Amino acid sequence: NAGVMQNPRHLVRRRGQEARLRCSPMKGHSHVYWYRQLPEEGLKFMVYLQKENIIDESGMPKERFSAEFPKEGPSILRIQQVVRGDSAAYFCASSSTNSGTGSKPQHFGDGTRLSIL
Amino acid sequence: QQQVKQSPQSLIVQKGGISIINCAYENTAFDYFPWYQQFPGKGPALLIAIRPDVSEKKEGRFTISFNKSAKQFSLHIMDSQPGDSATYFCAATIQGGSEKLVFGKGTKLTVNP
Repeated sequence: NAGVMQNPRHLVRRRGQEARLRCSPMKGHSHVYWYRQLPEEGLKFMVYLQKENIIDESGMPKERFSAEFPKEGPSILRIQQVVRGDSAAYFCASSSTNSGTGSKPQHFGDGTRLSIL
Repeated sequence: QQQVKQSPQSLIVQKGGISIINCAYENTAFDYFPWYQQFPGKGPALLIAIRPDVSEKKEGRFTISFNKSAKQFSLHIMDSQPGDSATYFCAATIQGGSEKLVFGKGTKLTVNP
């Protein structure tokens, strides 16, 4: 499967626990985006990363949320001390290096559904 | 502040009919407008996209119409099929920067047989 891979597909946590969501981009893609989707809502941008660098984190909550994209391995979205309001679907998208056309289509994974008890 | 407004929220169309979904944006710096299709339990899939230097783009049964002066764009699905039943999202971004996507709230399309 050459698509964007996210795991786990479903994650249940109790309030106060930590949630770790993983994303492996498409082969050859070095740009990763994380979005959050609440029920009946569109996706909201959280963070944009390239290998070992956070490029834009303007959509990330100021506390408890962090993201990384190490040189080796998947990108990780970490939520510490989860609360009920963190329940949502979290989607990762990847894109290739700018081809010079000015657009880098983003390809999405199937998401992680996070439920907080 | 919602930067991309999408309507209608839901749409029911008969098989063979035309489905029309509209979006309006506020930020005149947006210069790339993709549409995504999402089935239940799946991630959004890129359907078609347009830049503001053209007024229309067609790919198969899917057409984007773009009105730069009105800051509006729409998706037309011709000869709608039951398999088109999904949620459709318009989005906008500014090329050359982080290219983060700003999404509309989505339109749930149901095509009846």
